[in-house]
Amino acid sequence: GAVVSQHPSWVICKSGTSVKIECRSLDFQATTMFWYRQFPKQSLMLMATSNEGSKATYEQGVEKDKFLINHASLTLSTLTVTSAHPEDSSFYICSARDDRTFHSGNTIYFGEGSWLTVV
Amino acid sequence: GNSVTQMEGPVTLSEEAFLTINCTYTATGYPSLFWYVQYPGEGLQLLLKATKADDKGSNKGFEATYRKETTSFHLEKGSVQVSDSAVYFCALSEGAGGTSYGKLTFGQGTILTVHP
Repeated sequence: GAVVSQHPSWVICKSGTSVKIECRSLDFQATTMFWYRQFPKQSLMLMATSNEGSKATYEQGVEKDKFLINHASLTLSTLTVTSAHPEDSSFYICSARDDRTFHSGNTIYFGEGSWLTVV
Repeated sequence: GNSVTQMEGPVTLSEEAFLTINCTYTATGYPSLFWYVQYPGEGLQLLLKATKADDKGSNKGFEATYRKETTSFHLEKGSVQVSDSAVYFCALSEGAGGTSYGKLTFGQGTILTVHP
């Protein structure tokens, strides 16, 4: 079964509202998680690296005030899309790095992804 | 910076045909290399990986060998099935462990369709 749970799987929101997506590691601790965005029929682009207990590291071109990331515990990171607009509609997917295998080649697990549609 | 280039698709094959999807990369240091598969409407599943030169990753009949001399990690399968129809992504991560590991750079993806 899934070891990283992402919720919600689908969300539709109105322009100007905010929406929160959760990424949860189910049976391991993950100090570091990653958030990606995928446009239709395109590849995945890393948005930010989420670190428990510290500020997220954003990739160039990603607005940190628009895409708020909070890594509140060793098993949960959240991505909040603030003041969403139709151009934010996309597939968002997270991954979590298993702390147990930090030095030997961490195992990376992906969530199931979240489809966001802004109307 | 790091980059991954995959062969352009889509790729359409008949069942039991041989599959090759080319992947080349540029990276500093010694990256780890991955193939991920994405079925329609779903997230990513790790198909196989290799963490050092000459390593061969294999899973479900798929294979890929980490070729440092040609900076390649081509995906192969000897006999594809209809159920293999999906999008395949080649990716790399810095190192084989530690703080940089897991930050993936993806190729553009290759759509594979297998007909009965």
